[in-house]
Amino acid sequence: DQQVKQNSPSLSVQEGRISILNCDYTNSMFDYFLWYKKYPAEGPTFLISISSIKDKNEDGRFTVFLNKSAKHLSLHIVPSQPGDSAVYFCAASINQNAGGTSYGKLTFGQGTILTVHP
Amino acid sequence: DSGVTQTPKHLITATGQRVTLRCSPRSGDLSVYWYQQSLDQGLQFLIQYYNGEERAKGNILERFSAQQFPDLHSELNLSSLELGDSALYFCASSVGPDGTSYEQYFGPGTRLTVT
Repeated sequence: DQQVKQNSPSLSVQEGRISILNCDYTNSMFDYFLWYKKYPAEGPTFLISISSIKDKNEDGRFTVFLNKSAKHLSLHIVPSQPGDSAVYFCAASINQNAGGTSYGKLTFGQGTILTVHP
Repeated sequence: DSGVTQTPKHLITATGQRVTLRCSPRSGDLSVYWYQQSLDQGLQFLIQYYNGEERAKGNILERFSAQQFPDLHSELNLSSLELGDSALYFCASSVGPDGTSYEQYFGPGTRLTVT
């Protein structure tokens, strides 16, 4: 049962344009969402996060939007740069009122390969 | 650099053997998480420790165990290794359950190859 899904395995964008990466989740208990960027043979690098009490969080070129009713989040990168080319993972966690085996662990999507062309 | 260190970077061993992976969290972080990334399974949560105690468990095999020491570094022990255990193993750290930040910061990983 895949609770976090990234349905687009890859995305190709021209430099300077907007990149939009999408993520869907099924577990309504998730209360925190994160985006990570990953290069081959390296660990995931934290990019940006959003709490379930918000619908938008912005950090420089990166903005994350959360639509709780649709159980959908997206990452916008504007403007896209060639150095943004990497695999992007969305992840979700349960932090409030969670016990047992749920607390804090990240559940990851399968990733989207972003390629930004010069 | 996330501040999380992992050793060794690469490990090649034979089936049936036992290995230990080591992780040092970011300074001040009390929680350590272990994840496995294999080609077909993506990034999967294994286990979490908080200030020396096991806090949460994922689909970790019985052949695998972990611990967190008083200096907060953690070790993941993998025994009776099988070919299917070949994967990247990542350690991540965060402030912990009572902190105000839920972001996890990942180390560079250990690539385990079982032959």
